[in-house]
Amino acid sequence: GENVEQHPSTLSVQEGDSAVIKCTYSDSASNYFPWYKQELGKGPQLIIDIRSNVGEKKDQRIAVTLNKTAKHFSLHITETQPEDSAVYFCAAYMDSNYQLIWGAGTKLIIKP
Amino acid sequence: EAGVAQSPRYKIIEKRQSVAFWCNPISGHATLYWYQQILGQGPKLLIQFQNNGVVDDSQLPKDRFSAERLKGVDSTLKIQPAKLEDSAVYLCASSSTGTGVYNEQFFGPGTRLTVL
Repeated sequence: GENVEQHPSTLSVQEGDSAVIKCTYSDSASNYFPWYKQELGKGPQLIIDIRSNVGEKKDQRIAVTLNKTAKHFSLHITETQPEDSAVYFCAAYMDSNYQLIWGAGTKLIIKP
Repeated sequence: EAGVAQSPRYKIIEKRQSVAFWCNPISGHATLYWYQQILGQGPKLLIQFQNNGVVDDSQLPKDRFSAERLKGVDSTLKIQPAKLEDSAVYLCASSSTGTGVYNEQFFGPGTRLTVL
């Protein structure tokens, strides 16, 4: 079936440094790629998304890039802060059955 | 606006018992989702409603799981009988319009189920 692979599973960076999380997807018909942040004890929350007609999107310290040919997309967080510590999930929307297929998540740890 | 509400937040049961979870979506949201999130994994869709009709329940273990969304608002997810492998967080989410459109899903805090 369709799947989304996410790497790394855990990422530890020094406060102020950048963090990059990468995902690959299998369904070439996917056209929408959201990123969610999940804090402990809470449900996931959308932080940024990108559609297939765009190669890059930025929102303050967060950016997402998409390479449709290679079927991979990445989340970039610059100037990391303690509040960025959380689990981040990528997902790909399958137009064929209107489902989001989720990656396994990346636990981001910001070291003071 | 109020977010997605879920209850209970935590539940501990013995295997073979039954359990029910409740979800109240954001007002006006037509689409409601139930996800199962096992520790260390991403959410897995169990069932998706559009108003009070089922859009997709292909990954719902129908021999033990059931869900309903009466009147197109609140929803209940039930497990009967529970198995050890059902231990997970059950997340409810809602979005504003129907299928085929890329709409943000808003999640509730989840119900953490432990089956002993």
